[in-house]
Amino acid sequence: EPEVTQTPSHQVTQMGQEVILRCVPISNHLYFYWYRQILGQKVEFLVSFYNNEISEKSEIFDDQFSVERPDGSNFTLKIRSTKLEDSAMYFCASTGTSFTGELFFGEGSRLTVL
Amino acid sequence: AQTVTQSQPEMSVQEAETVTLSCTYDTSESDYYLFWYKQPPSRQMILVIRQEAYKQQNATENRFSVNFQKAAKSFSLKISDSQLGDAAMYFCARRGRDDKIIFGKGTRLHILP
Repeated sequence: EPEVTQTPSHQVTQMGQEVILRCVPISNHLYFYWYRQILGQKVEFLVSFYNNEISEKSEIFDDQFSVERPDGSNFTLKIRSTKLEDSAMYFCASTGTSFTGELFFGEGSRLTVL
Repeated sequence: AQTVTQSQPEMSVQEAETVTLSCTYDTSESDYYLFWYKQPPSRQMILVIRQEAYKQQNATENRFSVNFQKAAKSFSLKISDSQLGDAAMYFCARRGRDDKIIFGKGTRLHILP
């Protein structure tokens, strides 16, 4: 069964460093998302992406964050200069249809910022 | 603000018994989708059940069913004949036309053998 895959599963980085989290969505999906979950807290929407551009983003998704789909298969989340509060589990998701479609989630990338 | 509230951080149920997880939400839209997602330990979230707001009939998927009260903005999940594999974090979520899915804080469900 097709699934969303994410790498790395866990990354430890120093504050101020750049981090790139990678996702391979399900191949025929058109809508892509990043969510994050700080330990013990709820899952928060970061950004949605469709047709090679951001369609919606939250207040969390500031200038330190960026997304791109460089090669038609990968979907990346970049954090330019990590802060301690960026430590969280980051989930990638994709769906074939907007609004009505079920989101398929990856297993997440745990980011620890020291 | 568009919010989703799960008032039960943790619940426990005896195996084979029935449990109901609560969820309320806030929205100004008339057309939206509601979801329950399950997140087993160290695993990705998977969809349990989905309800379209314009449908009055409550969604059902095998042992999982919902009680959707649109006027009250309530969307509870009932799990019948609970099994050990049902132990997980359960998230209620709402998706509107703005293409965001807003999640609740989750309810951790323990199944007691």
